[in-house]
Amino acid sequence: QVTLRESGPALVKPTQTLTLTCTFSGFSLSTSGMCVSWIRQPPGKALEWLALIDWDDDKYYSTSLKTRLTISKDTSKNQVVLTMTNMDPVDTATYYCARMASDGYNYDYWGQGTLVTVSS
Amino acid sequence: QSALTQPASVSGSPGQSITISCTGTSSDVGGYNYVSWYQQHPGKAPKLMIYEVSNRPSGVPDRFSGSKSGNTASLTISGLQAEDEADYYCSSYTSSSTLHVVFGGGTKLTVL
Repeated sequence: QVTLRESGPALVKPTQTLTLTCTFSGFSLSTSGMCVSWIRQPPGKALEWLALIDWDDDKYYSTSLKTRLTISKDTSKNQVVLTMTNMDPVDTATYYCARMASDGYNYDYWGQGTLVTVSS
Repeated sequence: QSALTQPASVSGSPGQSITISCTGTSSDVGGYNYVSWYQQHPGKAPKLMIYEVSNRPSGVPDRFSGSKSGNTASLTISGLQAEDEADYYCSSYTSSSTLHVVFGGGTKLTVL
């Protein structure tokens, strides 16, 4: 059974760095073809793709946010970590992690999401 | 501003069919058969409904179907049911810059 769960602070102040952890089970990120992404959704708005890390430790970032994002993995702990620097109120959103299990570029399992509010 | 264009809303009566479009470019929708569709109910995580343009994951009713023509992909829901009322998002692989996957702006489906 595949599960993913996001964890991190619910509230961060402007200019701070956000660190989110995705803890997953039911698959290994060392298996060829496996990837995990972060995707966010501001309240009432659309999904926005942020970053992806694959089984080979290749990393891909949103063009508009790449200077602020870092994605990493700890295969032994079954975790993927996203850091986002210089947080702003416009970054208030529900942040999801999701699994991509093949070259099909689709997300078959999602975490429940974690709401991050940026406010002083 | 979303990379893929979807209508903001569509509606239909129970039993009817509706189609949601998703328009991109030759760098995403038109260039690859990697279009996916997700259903999202309020307060819930998205759920994969269609992958690789027209494939349904196990458990998704065959009332849901996908297709593509040129730079536009479509999701069709036939025999609308009340529980189909949700937001629907398309996504596609993209070869643009460092971005890997792009989403559409989402479509709110109302079952009248």
